[in-house]
Amino acid sequence: DARVTQTPRDKVTEMGQEVTMRCQPILGHNTVFWYRQTMMQGLELLAYFRNRAPLDDSGMPKDRFSAEMPDATLATLKIQPSEPRDSAVYFCASAVGGPNQPQHFGDGTRLSIL
Amino acid sequence: KNQVEQSPQSLIILEGKNCTLQCNYTVSPFSNLRWYKQDTGRGPVSLTIMTFSENTKSNGRYTATLDADTKQSSLHITASQLSDSASYICVVSAGSGNTGKLIFGQGTTLQVKP
Repeated sequence: DARVTQTPRDKVTEMGQEVTMRCQPILGHNTVFWYRQTMMQGLELLAYFRNRAPLDDSGMPKDRFSAEMPDATLATLKIQPSEPRDSAVYFCASAVGGPNQPQHFGDGTRLSIL
Repeated sequence: KNQVEQSPQSLIILEGKNCTLQCNYTVSPFSNLRWYKQDTGRGPVSLTIMTFSENTKSNGRYTATLDADTKQSSLHITASQLSDSASYICVVSAGSGNTGKLIFGQGTTLQVKP
């Protein structure tokens, strides 16, 4: 089965460090989503891209977060500088078409900022 | 305000029993409603997607219903198995076409005991 692949699986780092999370969408999927999940907030949409162009990043703190899609097989989410409140599980999902289409999720990057 | 509320927050049942999870929403304009299953440490997996005109959809032992008039959905699990232990997330899509916005519920955590 085709799958969304996320790396790293787990990341522990100190406050102030840069964190980069990577996502390989399912081949042929042209829309990529980044989500954050915490116990308190549940799942939140941070940003999404279609055909590598950012369409909506309204859920993302602009001062420290950035999302890019350098090519069709790689999406990245960066946090710089990281803060303890960024500790969460970050999910990437991909789809063919927009947010109304079925999304396939990766297994997430569990991020802990000390 | 667009909102999705799920109940109960958590549920414990015995293996072999049936259960029903609830989802109430105030989302406009409504596009579709999805139920996801999320195993511990994994990404969400889609169970069902229903549009406005659909009032029931099944996926194996999972049956989702939708009442667009009362803005309620339920997920019924028949003959539960230990592997059904997971979080179940209701997601409503607002908008249309490729510009929809996803509204997430907080999830119901189901534990199936032997």
